[in-house]
Amino acid sequence: EAGVTQFPSHSVIEKGQTVTLRCDPISGHDNLYWYRRVMGKEIKFLLHFVKESKQDESGMPNNRFLAERTGGTYSTLKVQPAELEDSGVYFCASSQLAGGRNRYEQYFGPGTRLTVT
Amino acid sequence: DQQVKQNSPSLSVQEGRISILNCDYTNSMFDYFLWYKKYPAEGPTFLISISSIKDKNEDGRFTVFLNKSAKHLSLHIVPSQPGDSAVYFCAAYAGGTSYGKLTFGQGTILTVHP
Repeated sequence: EAGVTQFPSHSVIEKGQTVTLRCDPISGHDNLYWYRRVMGKEIKFLLHFVKESKQDESGMPNNRFLAERTGGTYSTLKVQPAELEDSGVYFCASSQLAGGRNRYEQYFGPGTRLTVT
Repeated sequence: DQQVKQNSPSLSVQEGRISILNCDYTNSMFDYFLWYKKYPAEGPTFLISISSIKDKNEDGRFTVFLNKSAKHLSLHIVPSQPGDSAVYFCAAYAGGTSYGKLTFGQGTILTVHP
């Protein structure tokens, strides 16, 4: 079974530019989450999709961030325009709605390291 | 306001000895706790978890202890192995759901020396 994949693995952009991150969850996982880790600090929640619907977007920093999950499969996170403080590692995670070895477990992708200069 | 805190940024242990990683929380609504392990350039991977109705859960070399009154949990690894060297994150769920957001601590870097 393929794990959560994220693209790109690393992105370097200038302040004011736009970047789009992509996440492909594990097949069959209805829950999809975005998290961010900045400068070795805690991993912070951004938002949660259930299928194509936003269940919780309380962690989104501001309206420069836009997340979509068309068709309930892969998701994109767009940052426009990017600011210096947006630099960090963006993780995507997915989980099943019920069942599984551990129904509380979220499976994480390798992350996208975003550097805004 | 950080609701999950791992106050030790790093821990160094000799191979074969016990590693104890600590985590404190402030939110009384947290009712399920997980430990994740993270290697460089990889995403966090699930290690072990515990429900708030229990005070201990064991899985092989890994044991998690929960003290609800103190709002404290710990992860014990015994015996420690060099391959255990990684960043360990404590995380928590709130509100009785099984698929909501996780709240993480800052992580503790564990180094196990041969």
